[in-house]
Amino acid sequence: NAGVTQTPKFQVLKTGQSMTLQCAQDMNHEYMSWYRQDPGMGLRLIHYSVGAGITDQGEVPNGYNVSRSTTEDFPLRLLSAAPSQTSVYFCASRRLNTEAFFGQGTRLTVV
Amino acid sequence: RKEVEQDPGPFNVPEGATVAFNCTYSNSASQSFFWYRQDCRKEPKLLMSVYSSGNEDGRFTAQLNRASQYISLLIRDSKLSDSATYLCVVLLSGSARQLTFGSGTQLTVLP
Repeated sequence: NAGVTQTPKFQVLKTGQSMTLQCAQDMNHEYMSWYRQDPGMGLRLIHYSVGAGITDQGEVPNGYNVSRSTTEDFPLRLLSAAPSQTSVYFCASRRLNTEAFFGQGTRLTVV
Repeated sequence: RKEVEQDPGPFNVPEGATVAFNCTYSNSASQSFFWYRQDCRKEPKLLMSVYSSGNEDGRFTAQLNRASQYISLLIRDSKLSDSATYLCVVLLSGSARQLTFGSGTQLTVLP
């Protein structure tokens, strides 16, 4: 039972480059979310999805895009990486009114 | 005011000690409550859900006070392996996005 799988675990980008962080879950959860975690800031919601074809913005969406073509997958795209996007990114999934399960995280450095 | 507030610590306690963490939340419509544990550079993992009547899981006891909008976590007989950051998490009922995280309380259990 894999749960929530994120790839890659580590990534270094140059300013202006684009990339996609992958997230997949095998629990048939409706809700999927992307968070970033910075020191002293806690987890902040970037984008979320309530089902295939439905996405919405969280509190810090600028510079990121998402799509949800299947229940299982929820990729996060960085359009033009900036140093301010250096962070640890977590993908999570859950059912309505239940706890969230997290992927192992992606440590992203933008230089 | 932050939606979920926690004392950041750090709490440094000797093995065997009892330690308590507190968390307050601002939205009275909050419906579900959780404590997560996050080890250094790892993903958050569910420690326990918090029920209205209070609940216990081994050495861990969680309490909820809806009138005061306050959640607590008590750890008895602390072990070295309890060293981690503890995150208070609040969820609005039926909400797709409102899984709100506190910034976490850091615990170090000393030998």
